Amino acid sequence: EVQLVQSGAEVKKPGESLKISCKGSGYRFTTYWIGWVRQMPGKGLEWMGIIYPGDSDTRYSPSFQGQVTISADKSISTAYLQWSSLKASDTAMYYCAWLPRNAFDIWGQGTMVTVSS
Amino acid sequence: QSALTQPASVSGSPGQSITISCTGTSSDVGGYKYVSWYQQHPGKAPKLMIYEVSNRPSGVSNRFSGSKSGNTASLTISGLQAEDEADYYCSSYTSSSTLDVFGTGTKVTVL
Repeated sequence: EVQLVQSGAEVKKPGESLKISCKGSGYRFTTYWIGWVRQMPGKGLEWMGIIYPGDSDTRYSPSFQGQVTISADKSISTAYLQWSSLKASDTAMYYCAWLPRNAFDIWGQGTMVTVSS
Repeated sequence: QSALTQPASVSGSPGQSITISCTGTSSDVGGYKYVSWYQQHPGKAPKLMIYEVSNRPSGVSNRFSGSKSGNTASLTISGLQAEDEADYYCSSYTSSSTLDVFGTGTKVTVL
């Protein structure tokens, strides 16, 4: 059974850095894309970017290019989403999801990130 | 890239059929077969309901069906049930970006 398990909720201050994780299991981690999706409070879904863990090929939505970094450690089947300097507007739920085709088949449980002074 | 356009809300009585539209352009919905639909209950992660316009993943009820005409894709829920009350999002590949784009989302209410 394919599963994605994300790291727990985070509360940070503006300007702090953060790296959240998404561990895949039940499939060959290196041969499928994993994506990240943002959902701000009370709002819709937004594609952020995707990564192919096999060769770390990474693609970003124009809205998120330069704002976040997506990476993966294939030795531990884990993908990451990180910020170097958080803003209050980064407060949101972040989901990772598995793309065996051009659709997110399986989703992680989500990681809530709260940025507040 | 701009989000695909969906109606903010759709409602129906139990047993009825409802259809949610997802309107884009020839650069996304109209130009490719890569339209998918997701269901999201409050406080839960989204769930894939339809991929590649009209295909259902294993385990998804056959009451859910997808189609496309021109630049508009549609999700139809037949035999509406209380458990179908949720938010629904479409998504499509777009040539204007290396990634897909989501729709604005539709809240389905079962009366």
